[in-house]
Amino acid sequence: DGGITQSPKYLFRKEGQNVTLSCEQNLNHDAMYWYRQDPGQGLRLIYYSQIVNDFQKGDIAEGYSVSREKKESFPLTVTSAQKNPTAFYLCASSILEGNEQFFGPGTRLTVL
Amino acid sequence: AQTVTQSQPEMSVQEAETVTLSCTYDTSESDYYLFWYKQPPSRQMILVIRQEAYKQQNATENRFSVNFQKAAKSFSLKISDSQLGDAAMYFCAYMAGNKLVFGAGTILRVKS
Repeated sequence: DGGITQSPKYLFRKEGQNVTLSCEQNLNHDAMYWYRQDPGQGLRLIYYSQIVNDFQKGDIAEGYSVSREKKESFPLTVTSAQKNPTAFYLCASSILEGNEQFFGPGTRLTVL
Repeated sequence: AQTVTQSQPEMSVQEAETVTLSCTYDTSESDYYLFWYKQPPSRQMILVIRQEAYKQQNATENRFSVNFQKAAKSFSLKISDSQLGDAAMYFCAYMAGNKLVFGAGTILRVKS
């Protein structure tokens, strides 16, 4: 089955720790995205990548970092510099500009 | 900057009835795409319907249709014959280039 997987589903972190969220897709999509969703709000773009070894900042990139070493993988690191990291994180991918973005099931990150 | 506004935080509809969710957006672009996504309690984002701005004809997908008014920058979603499974958060989204901008969402409740 083709799709997007995110792991883990739930993640707990202590303040001051970095943590990495995994996102893998087997849809052969070129573009991948990371979004953050807070309660009662829509999704906000953190980072996106259109090709391997290239990525761009979204609207709320501060305190986050990404890498795109493989077409299938786009991990997101939430660093200690992110002041309010507790949120729901969604990864997405798409073929081309203007096309549907397919979403993964999400990771719920809680900072203790 | 592009913005998307959903003015109805919450809506209710009786099963089998019709409901319309509102969305307005602000952009100076002439070529863009608009989407409605559904997020049920599982939090999986599901594409409901897609509209290309250059197309005058309103998009339709089974019980879901849109009223796209480009000059007014309005993009409402009509759900006909509402079903219990339609209960979810609905997000309107605008895309120019590869970036999706989401509204804050409308919670749709379906009464049996």
